[in-house]
Amino acid sequence: EPEVTQTPSHQVTQMGQEVILRCVPISNHLYFYWYRQILGQKVEFLVSFYNNEISEKSEIFDDQFSVERPDGSNFTLKIRSTKLEDSAMYFCASRERPNYGYTFGSGTRLTVV
Amino acid sequence: AQKITQTQPGMFVQEKEAVTLDCTYDTSDQSYGLFWYKQPSSGEMIFLIYQGSYDEQNATEGRYSLNFQKARKSANLVISASQLGDSAMYFCAMRAGATNKLIFGTGTLLAVQP
Repeated sequence: EPEVTQTPSHQVTQMGQEVILRCVPISNHLYFYWYRQILGQKVEFLVSFYNNEISEKSEIFDDQFSVERPDGSNFTLKIRSTKLEDSAMYFCASRERPNYGYTFGSGTRLTVV
Repeated sequence: AQKITQTQPGMFVQEKEAVTLDCTYDTSDQSYGLFWYKQPSSGEMIFLIYQGSYDEQNATEGRYSLNFQKARKSANLVISASQLGDSAMYFCAMRAGATNKLIFGTGTLLAVQP
């Protein structure tokens, strides 16, 4: 069964450093998303991406965050200057079209020290 | 405002018994979709079942069924014949209106006891 692949599975970074979280969505999917889950809390929407541009973003997704689809397969989330409160599990998701299910990746656990 | 409410922080069920996980939602949109995801301790999010607002029949997927009561704005997940491997966090989520994003509830931690 097709799956969304995220790398790395776990990343530890120093506060103030830049991190790039990588995702390979399912190949025929057109809509891409990033969500995050702070430990023990609910999953929160960050951003959606369609047709090579951001279609929606939350108030969490400030200027420190950016997304990119640099080629036909990868979808990345960049955090420019990490803060302690950015520590969370980050999930990439994709779906083929509206009214279809969202497929989530296994997540990247980001720890900022 | 759109909102998902899961009022059960934790549930216990005996192996082979059925269990119902509650979910209520709030939206003013007529078109919406409701989802349930399972999150085991390993952390991944596993899609279980989907119900569209215009679907007349309750969704079923194997041992999972969704008890959709539109007038009450509830979308409870029923797991039949619980297995030890069902022990996990379960999230209810909604996509409503023109938005593409999923809004999640706070989750219910299910423990299946032998």
